[in-house]
Amino acid sequence: KAGVTQTPRYLIKTRGQQVTLSCSPISGHRSVSWYQQTPGQGLQFLFEYFSETQRNKGNFPGRFSGRQFSNSRSEMNVSTLELGDSALYLCASSSGQGNQPQHFGDGTRLSIL
Amino acid sequence: QKEVEQNSGPLSVPEGAIASLNCTYSDRGSQSFFWYRQYSGKSPELIMFIYSNGDKEDGRFTAQLNKASQYVSLLIRDSQPSDSATYLCAVMPGGYQKVTFGTGTKLQVIP
Repeated sequence: KAGVTQTPRYLIKTRGQQVTLSCSPISGHRSVSWYQQTPGQGLQFLFEYFSETQRNKGNFPGRFSGRQFSNSRSEMNVSTLELGDSALYLCASSSGQGNQPQHFGDGTRLSIL
Repeated sequence: QKEVEQNSGPLSVPEGAIASLNCTYSDRGSQSFFWYRQYSGKSPELIMFIYSNGDKEDGRFTAQLNKASQYVSLLIRDSQPSDSATYLCAVMPGGYQKVTFGTGTKLQVIP
């Protein structure tokens, strides 16, 4: 069974640009969550999508947005990039039912110049 | 108060010893508890999950949960240098609420 796939793996952008990251969940999983990981802050929750609806949201500014498609694939968009947005962005999928654990993709490392 | 707290470490143990990693959480209604291992430069990997009070064993790993004390721990028996990593504790409240992660404990197993 294929795992969670994130693309691209690495990305370099400059301040003010925007970026779109993609996540394909494990087959059959309907929940996709996005996290930002930095050395100082650890894993910070961005948002969760389940069946194309945002079910939970973290405390990030509106520059961070996401969506989920009918095949459960999800995208995250960050607009007007800032230097502080440099981080590892992780996607995790689960069935979304009950207490099932999340499984992470390899992440997208975003660097802002 | 942080929702999920872990000692950042590093926790150093000799090869072959038992490593004990601890986690406390603030939401008394939390129902699901997970341990992830993250090697440097890699993504978190699920290693254990526990839902009920008591112990759950899987190979060299044992998760322990005490809901009354709001405490969950991970024991690694016969620690190996390959166990050297950061261990993340994650807690899910009831229903469909978001998972909250601790900042992780760095474990170093000394050969």
